[in-house]
Amino acid sequence: AQSVAQPEDQVNVAEGNPLTVKCTYSVSGNPYLFWYVQYPNRGLQFLLKYITGDNLVKGSYGFEAEFNKSQTSFHLKKPSALVSDSALYFCAVRVVYNFNKFYFGSGTKLNVKP
Amino acid sequence: DAGVTQSPTHLIKTRGQHVTLRCSPISGHKSVSWYQQVLGQGPQFIFQYYEKEERGRGNFPDRFSARQFPNYSSELNVNALLLGDSALYLCASSRSRLTGGGTEAFFGQGTRLTVV
Repeated sequence: AQSVAQPEDQVNVAEGNPLTVKCTYSVSGNPYLFWYVQYPNRGLQFLLKYITGDNLVKGSYGFEAEFNKSQTSFHLKKPSALVSDSALYFCAVRVVYNFNKFYFGSGTKLNVKP
Repeated sequence: DAGVTQSPTHLIKTRGQHVTLRCSPISGHKSVSWYQQVLGQGPQFIFQYYEKEERGRGNFPDRFSARQFPNYSSELNVNALLLGDSALYLCASSRSRLTGGGTEAFFGQGTRLTVV
């Protein structure tokens, strides 16, 4: 069975400090991994994805994520957090042979304090 | 280019009623998927439609149904509403079901359904 785990319900970080939002996954076959962000009362916005190749992928708004196959992880990172980064972040895995549907984690609320 | 649009944005229904939610995908996108996001949880897959045919269904009861029209827009219907159906319903469009798992989906802003 496919699954995604986001072990932290909430992450607190001071503005200007680096941030990490953790994600681990379990999937049969090669994973296609995604990060989405959700602002209050809004849909999901695509941040970045890992398909193949370089383990470090760069995305929107200065975010990047590191794919680690041995640890089955895909942590989201940013070198310097902004207050405007405060939002709900979802990690997702997509399964090609199962209607291309997304399996989402439960989400991590990122709070960036001034 | 317009993004994925959903209507209505908010809806309040009574238990036992029926509801229809609508979604217009990004121009050129032929695949539409529906997700249910209950408060405090990640989105859960309900349906995928491609070229007007149902291509996938999640673990939802038969009270949930959907269809896709020739212009690729889609409707999600829920009959006999229960309190537990209260959620944000998200529509996502992709260019092609067959593009492969590496294609990102673009989500609408969602319809907030409250069942009282």
